[in-house]
Amino acid sequence: ELKVEQNPLFLSMQEGKNYTIYCNYSTTSDRLYWYRQDPGKSLESLFVLLSNGAVKQEGRLMASLDTKARLSTLHITAAVHDLSATYFCAVEDDKIIFGKGTRLHILP
Amino acid sequence: KAGVTQTPRYLIKTRGQQVTLSCSPISGHRSVSWYQQTPGQGLQFLFEYFSETQRNKGNFPGRFSGRQFSNSRSEMNVSTLELGDSALYLCASSSGRTATNEKLFFGSGTQLSVL
Repeated sequence: ELKVEQNPLFLSMQEGKNYTIYCNYSTTSDRLYWYRQDPGKSLESLFVLLSNGAVKQEGRLMASLDTKARLSTLHITAAVHDLSATYFCAVEDDKIIFGKGTRLHILP
Repeated sequence: KAGVTQTPRYLIKTRGQQVTLSCSPISGHRSVSWYQQTPGQGLQFLFEYFSETQRNKGNFPGRFSGRQFSNSRSEMNVSTLELGDSALYLCASSSGRTATNEKLFFGSGTQLSVL
């Protein structure tokens, strides 16, 4: 059964700092998603990563995928308060399974 | 293009009752997935319907069921409600994940409280 683990689950960081969220998964998959959820809101798609070595960037967020290590990272560069949210990775085998999410709080 | 619509937005029920939640996917999307979100367990996959057929099912008891209609709208039913069923139920639609770079589009969810 596919398992998806994120770490850390909680992260409090200062504005302007860099940090990385990690997503490990247990079975072979070549499709991985990152989503963002703001409090009381639904999930918003950030990235879809489709192959080994895939890297995508949007503003201060960059996601990468290493299918051999079964690892994806979401890197935050020079964090700003607006990036405070919960970030989920999700992996697809025959269904899409989500990690527990990383609650990110960025302090001004 | 309208997004994924879930109704009702909030629901309060008592133990033992049953509830039906509705999801209208994005026009043209044929796949609807349902997830249960709780603070402790996170997002858990319930089931997926594609062209009126259940394509996948998660590890939930038989009290949780669903269906999809010919217009791709989907309903989820929970019978004999328990306190632990209190959660945000999210519906997500896609064209079926047959295309590359495809993703799920989520509705705003139905917040179910069981008293």
